[in-house]
Amino acid sequence: DAGITQSPRHKVTETGTPVTLRCHQTENHRYMYWYRQDPGHGLRLIHYSYGVKDTDKGEVSDGYSVSRSKTEDFLLTLESATSSQTSVYFCAIRAGAQETQYFGPGTRLLVL
Amino acid sequence: KNEVEQSPQNLTAQEGEFITINCSYSVGISALHWLQQHPGGGIVSLFMLSSGKKKHGRLIATINIQEKHSSLHITASHPRDSAVYICAGPYSGGGADGLTFGKGTHLIIQP
Repeated sequence: DAGITQSPRHKVTETGTPVTLRCHQTENHRYMYWYRQDPGHGLRLIHYSYGVKDTDKGEVSDGYSVSRSKTEDFLLTLESATSSQTSVYFCAIRAGAQETQYFGPGTRLLVL
Repeated sequence: KNEVEQSPQNLTAQEGEFITINCSYSVGISALHWLQQHPGGGIVSLFMLSSGKKKHGRLIATINIQEKHSSLHITASHPRDSAVYICAGPYSGGGADGLTFGKGTHLIIQP
């Protein structure tokens, strides 16, 4: 699993509240990614990071921000959660000689 | 942005059958990924390939870079192969900036 953990694993929140999801890795990988998975859309890239304090937007970045102040942690923040952000969120890292992507276990977020 | 298309979306087969899942993409890329997701959600990388063919157990992945097409084959399929299979390519061709995914093929192998 390349030492990837996500927290929380499940969260229920209300519309308009801020939410932060954490991705933690233990192997000092440079590249980290946040994806969301929705029925009918599959997996989509939200944001990615190529180093400490180096981040960029992906396909569906509106309403999300990220931060990476340490190599091991990549945080995803929903500034003001909306029901359309109900989803399963996966963190991933890129690792190995072949630069395979390894995924965390996912966080199920329900916005009421 | 790279566009990735997979077919079929759903596939039901009998145990022992040879399975083929196809993937095409729009932007020239250096490598393509095949992923597996079982019910319950965990995503596992099966293959990353940039040319030719790779084999792991009963799974075989092929890619034709010129035709922008890849296939995933499962030989002697088994009910434990039931899962969603997803192909993915680089989001914008470069590789470091994340992946863009097909919508997945939901495979059911019946005993």
